[in-house]
Amino acid sequence: NAGVTQTPKFQVLKTGQSMTLQCAQDMNHNSMYWYRQDPGMGLRLIYYSASEGTTDKGEVPNGYNVSRLNKREFSLRLESAAPSQTSVYFCASGGRFYGYTFGSGTRLTVV
Amino acid sequence: AQSVTQLGSHVSVSEGALVLLRCNYSSSVPPYLFWYVQYPNQGLQLLLKYTSAATLVKGINGFEAEFKKSETSFHLTKPSAHMSDAAEYFCAVEMDSSYKLIFGSGTRLLVRP
Repeated sequence: NAGVTQTPKFQVLKTGQSMTLQCAQDMNHNSMYWYRQDPGMGLRLIYYSASEGTTDKGEVPNGYNVSRLNKREFSLRLESAAPSQTSVYFCASGGRFYGYTFGSGTRLTVV
Repeated sequence: AQSVTQLGSHVSVSEGALVLLRCNYSSSVPPYLFWYVQYPNQGLQLLLKYTSAATLVKGINGFEAEFKKSETSFHLTKPSAHMSDAAEYFCAVEMDSSYKLIFGSGTRLLVRP
């Protein structure tokens, strides 16, 4: 089925460890996004990529880096994880005309 | 900066009653507006979107929303609530040419039998 695929679904990290969240879409969308979801705060945009080869900061970029590897893939990296980065992370692709399609999320716990 | 405000973090209705979830945006230029639904432990599903065509937008599962420029609002309604509508609902806005989708803080809908 067409859509957005995120891996892993669950992850536990120790403070200071690094990891990369992977995201891939097969809908040929130009734009891709990373959000984090915390209780009572909705979804906050971390980084986005309007097209292959470009990335821009969103509302809460500190502590994260991204790579738009090609049109399909957009990864999010935590270089040195902190407990404040415990959250559910969603990748999305699309735009205003198609609507935005979301992956099923990665639940990350930093201890 | 653009923002989206959802009034009421929790809304409780009886089964069969009207559902009204409120969303206001701050912008001098009409943006693109979206409503998403999230069921427990799942991702977000698009309910409907406004992209400057008809002001009354019909979505899935019997939901609709009306864009009112004078009130800068995009409230979500459903005439008769069903138990399966219990979920969290998010309003989101994208300003023209920004490529950024910004979300409200969400409203959790509880449907009482």
